Amino acid sequence: SQKIEQNSEALNIQEGKTATLTCNYTNYSPAYLQWYRQDPGRGPVFLLLIRENEKEKRKERLKVTFDTTLKQSLFHITASQPADSATYLCALGRGLTGGGNKLTFGTGTQLKVEL
Amino acid sequence: DTGVSQNPRHKITKRGQNVTFRCDPISEHNRLYWYRQTLGQGPEFLTYFQNEAQLEKSRLLSDRFSAERPKGSFSTLEIQRTEQGDSAMYLCASSLKPPGQGKNIQYFGAGTRLSVL
Repeated sequence: SQKIEQNSEALNIQEGKTATLTCNYTNYSPAYLQWYRQDPGRGPVFLLLIRENEKEKRKERLKVTFDTTLKQSLFHITASQPADSATYLCALGRGLTGGGNKLTFGTGTQLKVEL
Repeated sequence: DTGVSQNPRHKITKRGQNVTFRCDPISEHNRLYWYRQTLGQGPEFLTYFQNEAQLEKSRLLSDRFSAERPKGSFSTLEIQRTEQGDSAMYLCASSLKPPGQGKNIQYFGAGTRLSVL
């Protein structure tokens, strides 16, 4: 069955350091992968999308990589700040040619940036 | 606020009662999704609409669950004969059908938290 794994343990890092979050998947051929941020009691907020034929995407302090051979995406936040503390979710989509338009989400990784 | 709006934010009900949630998507968005999220888990897909047509339903969506989007704008999700296992956050999202391959970026509401006693 399809499985999307993210670190279940919370990630604690010091302010200013780079946070790296991992998303691994099995039994899935995504057309694209997205990363969302979710704060307690709120819905997820879209951050970045990367397609299957792309290796890396950047947006300000955020960087995502996508390795379809390893079936893995890495999400980096550089110069992290306490305001970056949240749960980060990866989500896979198959696009128009298979599986419809639904997103399949991982369990999320909680990030805590300490002063 | 022109984001996705969900009502109510919280609902407490007794086992066996029926509940209905409403979602108002971003006005120009023609796609609408319902997800369910339990503590410590990511959102799980339930169903999605393109305009008023319900195009996909998850196996998670038992016959006690029904969703509608009668005029292609707002949507309702009804749960009949609620069970304690239905306790969760119910999230609605909307997106705009893009040309070609597109991106399917989904915009989420704040959710309705259901507690079944």
